[in-house]
Amino acid sequence: DAGVTQSPTHLIKTRGQQVTLRCSPKSGHDTVSWYQQALGQGPQFIFQYYEEEERQRGNFPDRFSGHQFPNYSSELNVNALLLGDSALYLCASSHRRGTDGYTFGSGTRLTVV
Amino acid sequence: AQRVTQPEKLLSVFKGAPVELKCNYSYSGSPELFWYVQYSRQRLQLLLRHISRESIKGFTADLNKGETSFHLKKPFAQEEDSAMYYCALIGGGYQKVTFGIGTKLQVIP
Repeated sequence: DAGVTQSPTHLIKTRGQQVTLRCSPKSGHDTVSWYQQALGQGPQFIFQYYEEEERQRGNFPDRFSGHQFPNYSSELNVNALLLGDSALYLCASSHRRGTDGYTFGSGTRLTVV
Repeated sequence: AQRVTQPEKLLSVFKGAPVELKCNYSYSGSPELFWYVQYSRQRLQLLLRHISRESIKGFTADLNKGETSFHLKKPFAQEEDSAMYYCALIGGGYQKVTFGIGTKLQVIP
């Protein structure tokens, strides 16, 4: 089992551009959550998808959107990129409530220049 | 609102010394609490959950609802324990997870 896989691993974008990050959950998991981790900070919750719907959302603007596909994989889209969007974006999968814990991917490092 | 506070960004201890990583939380309901660990150049991974009351790699954590704390403890630190440790809380209807800022544990040989 490859666990949670994220692509790409690194990305450089220009201010104002749009970006799409991808995540495949661990086998058997049906819930995907996205986090933003700035340097020196803990992961900040962006949103969570279950049954192809956004179930919970953190304090992030509408520029951040997502999608979950029938195979449980997910995408994170960020529009109109700002320099402050530069961070490590983590995907975590779980089964339903996640009380068994989350399995994290290794992340996508996004740099906005 | 739910909040997790880890007051120490860096904790340095000598090998063989006891370790206590502090975590305090704020949540109006009954939270579920976790410790996650990130070793150098590895991904974030679950260390332990309060509901399982388990000991992993010699670490234990007890939920103290009166003090709203979930401190991580180990009686004798090992060099391989050096890592970033994050306390996390699950609350809300759909498993919204809130992480603390993290504490870097440095075990000095």
